[in-house]
Amino acid sequence: GNSVTQMEGPVTLSEEAFLTINCTYTATGYPSLFWYVQYPGEGLQLLLKATKADDKGSNKGFEATYRKETTSFHLEKGSVQVSDSAVYFCALSGAGTALIFGKGTTLSVSS
Amino acid sequence: KAGVTQTPRYLIKTRGQQVTLSCSPISGHRSVSWYQQTPGQGLQFLFEYFSETQRNKGNFPGRFSGRQFSNSRSEMNVSTLELGDSALYLCASSSLQGRDTEAFFGQGTRLTVV
Repeated sequence: GNSVTQMEGPVTLSEEAFLTINCTYTATGYPSLFWYVQYPGEGLQLLLKATKADDKGSNKGFEATYRKETTSFHLEKGSVQVSDSAVYFCALSGAGTALIFGKGTTLSVSS
Repeated sequence: KAGVTQTPRYLIKTRGQQVTLSCSPISGHRSVSWYQQTPGQGLQFLFEYFSETQRNKGNFPGRFSGRQFSNSRSEMNVSTLELGDSALYLCASSSLQGRDTEAFFGQGTRLTVV
């Protein structure tokens, strides 16, 4: 079945460091891919998405490219801030609006 | 525009009891999905409703059920609670049904079963 695997955390970085969170997927067909972020005590928020191969999603300095040949959708940011500390979830679209999530990666950024 | 509202925010129940959680979607959204979030299993899809009809269901036992009303508000019910049902239950609403549609999540209901 469809599944998402993302790197285990926690990831600890200093402010202004480069961030990569790896995400790979297994899917039949051509799913859409998403990154969601969960700040402490809050629900999930869509960070970015890509709907077809080679699409690049971007938002708030974060980017991810839909790579069909490597079945990957790695999240990157060139310079993280303390306010980026959160849990990041990679997800792919299932049937209807159902989402299949990875286990989540906790990012902690210190000043 | 008000976001997705889930009530209650916190709940403590005893094993064997049943519980009902409520979700009010964003105004105009007709699709509501439910997810269970636990430290061990992560986020798992429970079910999806669209225009009062269940469209998709995840791999959960029949003790987990839901419904959607004509105003798109949704409830989920868990009967005969088990300790393992302790989790954060998240509701998400979407304006459409489809794989590209953004899901907007509520803050969740934290259920503790003792």
